[in-house]
Amino acid sequence: NAGVTQTPKFQVLKTGQSMTLQCAQDMNHEYMSWYRQDPGMGLRLIHYSVGAGITDQGEVPNGYNVSRSTTEDFPLRLLSAAPSQTSVYFCASSSSGSASGELFFGEGSRLTVL
Amino acid sequence: AQSVTQLGSHVSVSEGALVLLRCNYSSSVPPYLFWYVQYPNQGLQLLLKYTSAATLVKGINGFEAEFKKSETSFHLTKPSAHMSDAAEYFCAVSVVRGYQKVTFGTGTKLQVIP
Repeated sequence: NAGVTQTPKFQVLKTGQSMTLQCAQDMNHEYMSWYRQDPGMGLRLIHYSVGAGITDQGEVPNGYNVSRSTTEDFPLRLLSAAPSQTSVYFCASSSSGSASGELFFGEGSRLTVL
Repeated sequence: AQSVTQLGSHVSVSEGALVLLRCNYSSSVPPYLFWYVQYPNQGLQLLLKYTSAATLVKGINGFEAEFKKSETSFHLTKPSAHMSDAAEYFCAVSVVRGYQKVTFGTGTKLQVIP
């Protein structure tokens, strides 16, 4: 069982370039989300989805787009990368929107924007 | 709005000594509380969670945490530290606001000294 798979693991971009971080889960989870992790700031929610075709913004959505066409996939798009988007990005999924639900995380994607 | 505060961004203990990682929360509704652990270059994984069933919660790898409503605390403890416990630990609070909103603390890096 692969769980949550993120690609790529590492990426270097130049300012203004675009890219997509891929996230796929094989647990049939309805809820998926993207977080960024920065030193001393913990994890902050970027975007989330409660099911296919439904997405919404989290705490720090600016500069990022998402879509959810299938239950399994939840890609994160950076349309015009900025140095402030240098971070480690984590995708997470959960079986339901229940507050007691466990989040399952991918291994992260480390992005550097020059 | 909910929040968590983790006291101490870095904690060092000797192998075999007590581990105590502090977490205080703020929530306007009864919270669900979690501890996640992150090993180097990996995603987060659930250590334990409080869902109101019992105030003393036991997790994996010998860790436990006690929910104290009067102190708004959910401190993580382990009687005897092992070298393999070296990791970063995140406290998190979860409520439902139309979706599962999970707020993470800033993390505590645990160093275990041989």
